[in-house]
Amino acid sequence: GAVVSQHPSRVICKSGTSVKIECRSLDFQATTMFWYRQFPKQSLMLMATSNEGSKATYEQGVEKDKFLINHASLTLSTLTVTSAHPEDSSFYICSAPEGLSNQPQHFGDGTRLSIL
Amino acid sequence: DAKTTQPNSMESNEEEPVHLPCNHSTISGTDYIHWYRQLPSQGPEYVIHGLTSNVNNRMASLAIAEDRKSSTLILHRATLRDAAVYYCILRDVRGGSNYKLTFGKGTLLTVNP
Repeated sequence: GAVVSQHPSRVICKSGTSVKIECRSLDFQATTMFWYRQFPKQSLMLMATSNEGSKATYEQGVEKDKFLINHASLTLSTLTVTSAHPEDSSFYICSAPEGLSNQPQHFGDGTRLSIL
Repeated sequence: DAKTTQPNSMESNEEEPVHLPCNHSTISGTDYIHWYRQLPSQGPEYVIHGLTSNVNNRMASLAIAEDRKSSTLILHRATLRDAAVYYCILRDVRGGSNYKLTFGKGTLLTVNP
């Protein structure tokens, strides 16, 4: 079945570092991908919608200059956390829908980001 | 998207059926009922979805009330690997290219050996 691959699975880095997370749809094309953030013992919160060939749409309260999204091809979206700080430590998850809006979304396995 | 209400947690024994309820009293005619689950330290996984009729697949069954104001996810024989947070989500088919899912708190299912 359809698979979404997310890389890396875990990142530990120093405060002030920028971190890039990749999300790939492996056997289908995705003009839209979604980026979520999940803090411990909480639910997933949508951060932004990544649109192939155009600007991302950010949810209210999410800083677009802090979380840079690029969707340069139909199979790849990247999220860059710029100048990361300890409060950015979280579990980041991407997803991509396969086909029509009533069809399932496929999720990556997530990236555990820890900022020291 | 319309809101759903689920119990915070449920407990089951291995090899027994599990019925996970979801209330969605404000559901509209164009809302599909989706179920996803999230195992520890993983991204969510699609389980099943439906509109009006009951649905079955290899993972589970979805029973939808006649008035569509509630639904039940049925795991026929729970295994330890079914321990996860289960999310019931309504998704308006009119959403077009904006397929985003809004996650609530879900139900934490514990499966006892």
